[in-house]
Order: sequence, then structure tokens, then C-alpha cells
Amino acid sequence: DARVTQTPRHKVTEMGQEVTMRCQPILGHNTVFWYRQTMMQGLELLAYFRNRAPLDDSGMPKDRFSAEMPDATLATLKIQPSEPRDSAVYFCASGTGGRGSLSYNEQFFGPGTRLTVL
Amino acid sequence: GESVGLHLPTLSVQEGDNSIINCAYSNSASDYFIWYKQESGKGPQFIIDIRSNMDKRQGQRVTVLLNKTVKHLSLQIAATQPGDSAVYFCAERKTGANNLFFGTGTRLTVIP
Repeated sequence: DARVTQTPRHKVTEMGQEVTMRCQPILGHNTVFWYRQTMMQGLELLAYFRNRAPLDDSGMPKDRFSAEMPDATLATLKIQPSEPRDSAVYFCASGTGGRGSLSYNEQFFGPGTRLTVL
Repeated sequence: GESVGLHLPTLSVQEGDNSIINCAYSNSASDYFIWYKQESGKGPQFIIDIRSNMDKRQGQRVTVLLNKTVKHLSLQIAATQPGDSAVYFCAERKTGANNLFFGTGTRLTVIP
């Protein structure tokens, strides 16, 4: 049963510390998305990749967030330095499909990383 | 996995009844409308989608209706079961774009 995995599942850190979240997309999926979910903002897209190339990271605060795909099996989201307002659940999702394809509508989400910044 | 407790519209239904979850969208340029389900402690899960040139699409126990005139989308769940208890999100996508824009969600509670 193929699924997206994320590590760590929970992270508590202090303000100013670096945080790295990892995601393993489903094998064969060519798009990877990073979302943030909070009570106030709901589910927000931070960045996404297609074929490992970043397509859009306009949802991320550029000064502290960075997203990369070192290889097809690993996507990372890094926050440096972290701030209390970054506390949220971060989801990674992966998917397949061409630009107009319906299959782009189905994204497979991981279980999320709950981040708490004190 | 985790889900965050959002201050969401809520809907409570008796087990076995039909549920209707509504969503108003704002972008008339969207080409696809999608419903996702998020159970407690898990990531969102795709349910069904509909293209903007359709007004109805049926899946297993679910039906999505699209009214472009009033920019309204609904998800109907037949014979609601306790396992249907979750937060339901509508989302939009435009042709040529990879990204989805999610709505705020509705929390469905099924009463046994």
C-alpha cells in the first residue's frame, strides 16, 4: 500500500532553532506539494515541485523557509530561524499527471508533521 | 498524523441519513472542483472531483453538484456512516495549474 511518509511526526523546538521536515513521496509520483495547516489560515500551499524542479514557492516566507528535492525520493522543508508563528501542521502531498489532467486533482497527503515553536 | 482543530461550520447527522455539505467558491476561472476528506489525525484524502463543464458527478455513495451560476458546490453523502465523520474541504484548480486552493472546511459529525 503506497503512501507518502513524513518525518518527524512531531517536533517541539525553541524560537531561533533550525527545523527540517522530510517527505518521501509515493514512488513514481512526479509532483510534490508542501502545505501548512493552522486554525487561522486553514490549509495553505507553501511550495510545489514537478519532476524535482520547483514550480512555485510564492506561499513561503522566503527569508526563513526553503524547500528542496535532493532526489526523487526525498523532499525537504526547512525553517531557519523558526518562530512561534510557524507552529502548525505541515503536510506533504504527491501526485501524478500532465498539466490538464484530472489526475492532478488527486493529491496523496502524508500524515503531517506537527511543529511547535516555543 | 495530525489535524488541527479549526473553527469550522459544523453539520451533525444521524447515521443512515443523507448529508449535504456545501461550498461557495469565488474564482469563476477554476476548471476543476474537488472534495477532500480529513479524518482526525490524518492528512486530507481525495473523494471526488468534477470538471466545470459538468453539473453533476456520482461516485460510490457520494454525489457532487456544481452550480456555476451561483458559484456553489455541494457534496452529498448517501446513508451516512460513523466513518464519514471528518472535516470536508472543497478545492479549486485551474487548467494548466498544478496547485489546489482549499476552502475552510466543514466538520461533519455522524451520530450513531
